Amino acid sequence: DAGVIQSPRHEVTEMGQEVTLRCKPISGHDYLFWYRQTMMRGLELLIYFNNNVPIDDSGMPEDRFSAKMPNASFSTLKIQPSEPRDSAVYFCASSLSATYGYTFGSGTRLTVV
Amino acid sequence: GNSVTQMEGPVTLSEEAFLTINCTYTATGYPSLFWYVQYPGEGLQLLLKATKADDKGSNKGFEATYRKETTSFHLEKGSVQVSDSAVYFCALKIYSGAGSYQLTFGKGTKLSVIP
Repeated sequence: DAGVIQSPRHEVTEMGQEVTLRCKPISGHDYLFWYRQTMMRGLELLIYFNNNVPIDDSGMPEDRFSAKMPNASFSTLKIQPSEPRDSAVYFCASSLSATYGYTFGSGTRLTVV
Repeated sequence: GNSVTQMEGPVTLSEEAFLTINCTYTATGYPSLFWYVQYPGEGLQLLLKATKADDKGSNKGFEATYRKETTSFHLEKGSVQVSDSAVYFCALKIYSGAGSYQLTFGKGTKLSVIP
């Protein structure tokens, strides 16, 4: 298996633009997680899905952020409109079940200027 | 609430030195405990885990023992290598109700190993 695949690896965008981050989890993994990593706040869980259904989105910072999982093999995290404070590395992770460890993707480094 | 506290870095060691990275946790139930490693420019990778008290997780020469009495899960390695240079995250996972599991990470400890 190729692991968790995220795209793009790097994204530079102007403030106010829409940004879409993509994730392909490992086949057969029922759980998918979106994390944000910054120097100041460390790793923050934004949202997670179980069997394509959003279970906990309490970490989503505000309405500008939205996430979808239309099928078991694809998820998106969208920021609209983007702001400079959204600059961070965004990780997607998947897990076989709730009690297993997570497999992380390589992340998307987002820079909003 | 649930939280993880790791020793602050950065930690700089010479090759073949002994490594300890302290991790303590606070949890309202019985968590599973994990160590993740993040190499430069990469995502986090699961290094080892322990799911109940007195379990020892081990991988690639790293070890950590789940100590319920001291609520700790310290990471150790007897002889570090330059290739171990990375950021290490301690984490706990606990059932938080309504089918929801919460994985909480520490802030991370950066390790640099010099030849």
